[in-house]
Amino acid sequence: DAGVIQSPRHEVTEMGQEVTLRCKPISGHDYLFWYRQTMMRGLELLIYFNNNVPIDDSGMPEDRFSAKMPNASFSTLKIQPSEPRDSAVYFCASRGGWTDTQYFGPGTRLTVL
Amino acid sequence: GDSVTQMEGPVTLSEEAFLTINCTYTATGYPSLFWYVQYPGEGLQLLLKATKADDKGSNKGFEATYRKETTSFHLEKGSVQVSDSAVYFCALSLYTDKLIFGTGTRLQVFP
Repeated sequence: DAGVIQSPRHEVTEMGQEVTLRCKPISGHDYLFWYRQTMMRGLELLIYFNNNVPIDDSGMPEDRFSAKMPNASFSTLKIQPSEPRDSAVYFCASRGGWTDTQYFGPGTRLTVL
Repeated sequence: GDSVTQMEGPVTLSEEAFLTINCTYTATGYPSLFWYVQYPGEGLQLLLKATKADDKGSNKGFEATYRKETTSFHLEKGSVQVSDSAVYFCALSLYTDKLIFGTGTRLQVFP
């Protein structure tokens, strides 16, 4: 089975540009989570969805960040405008409603210059 | 609030040494407990879990026992290999959809 798929794996952009990160969860999973990992702050939960509906976005750092899940097999995390302090590895994870085990994607390493 | 505390790293060991990474938790109920591992350049993956007191999770030679009396879930391995070098995260889940992660402990194993 394919795991969680994220794209791109690496993104380098300039400050002020829009960045869109993409995630395809494992088929049949109805929860999707977006995390950010930095050396300074560790692993942070940004937002999560259940059945495509955002449930908790309290971890989204500011209005520059937005996330959508238009259907069960696709989610995006958008940063507009991007800033150097947004540089981090962004992970997507999914899980089924019958378990508490999350499955992580390989991450997108974002560098904002 | 609910939280997880892990020992700070890095933990540096020689191959075949015994490993312990300490993890304690604070929770208002009886959580499920997890160890996740992150190899360089990869996402986190589940290593083992335990869902109730005295349960022992095990995988790939790693073990951890859910100790309610000490609110601990320490990770152990009898003989580490260079390939075990990674960052290890302790986590809990309690009545919510979310996992609460510790800060991670980096393990470095040298030949």
